[in-house]
Amino acid sequence: GESVGLHLPTLSVQEGDNSIINCAYSNSASDYFIWYKQESGKGPQFIIDIRSNMDKRQGQRVTVLLNKTVKHLSLQIAATQPGDSAVYFCAFDGNEKLTFGTGTRLTIIP
Amino acid sequence: EAGVAQSPRYKIIEKRQSVAFWCNPISGHATLYWYQQILGQGPKLLIQFQNNGVVDDSQLPKDRFSAERLKGVDSTLKIQPAKLEDSAVYLCASKRAEQETQYFGPGTRLLVL
Repeated sequence: GESVGLHLPTLSVQEGDNSIINCAYSNSASDYFIWYKQESGKGPQFIIDIRSNMDKRQGQRVTVLLNKTVKHLSLQIAATQPGDSAVYFCAFDGNEKLTFGTGTRLTIIP
Repeated sequence: EAGVAQSPRYKIIEKRQSVAFWCNPISGHATLYWYQQILGQGPKLLIQFQNNGVVDDSQLPKDRFSAERLKGVDSTLKIQPAKLEDSAVYLCASKRAEQETQYFGPGTRLLVL
């Protein structure tokens, strides 16, 4: 069956450093991946997405990397700020339905 | 553009009671979803609507959960009767039919005692 998101449950990063959050998936037919950020008491917020015909996509301070060979997805956040503290989820979109990973809680150390 | 609205934001009930949640999607978004998010986990899809029709309710526990979107805009999700394991955040999301990005509301946090 389809599954997404073996995440490390927590990640602590010094403010100003780069953060890398990783996600593994098992369904080789996956063709669209999304990263969401969820702050406490809020719903998930779209960050960036990538299709399976790409291996890298950049946004503002964020980069998503896709390695289809090892079925691995990562989110890189440059110059991490206190406002980046949240739980980050990878998700796979199959047939207009999202399957979410388990999430990584990112904590910023001042 | 206003985001997805949900109410109430919090609800505490006793087991075996009934509860209903309301969602108003972003204007023009034909597709609407309800997700259940248990503490410490990612959201799990319960039901998907396209306009006022159900596209997928395969993960909805139909013995106790029901949802409707009668006029193709607002939607309600009902639990009757509630169980302790229904304690979770219930998230509503919407998107345009021709696009892929789903936008989430703030959720309703349900506690069943």
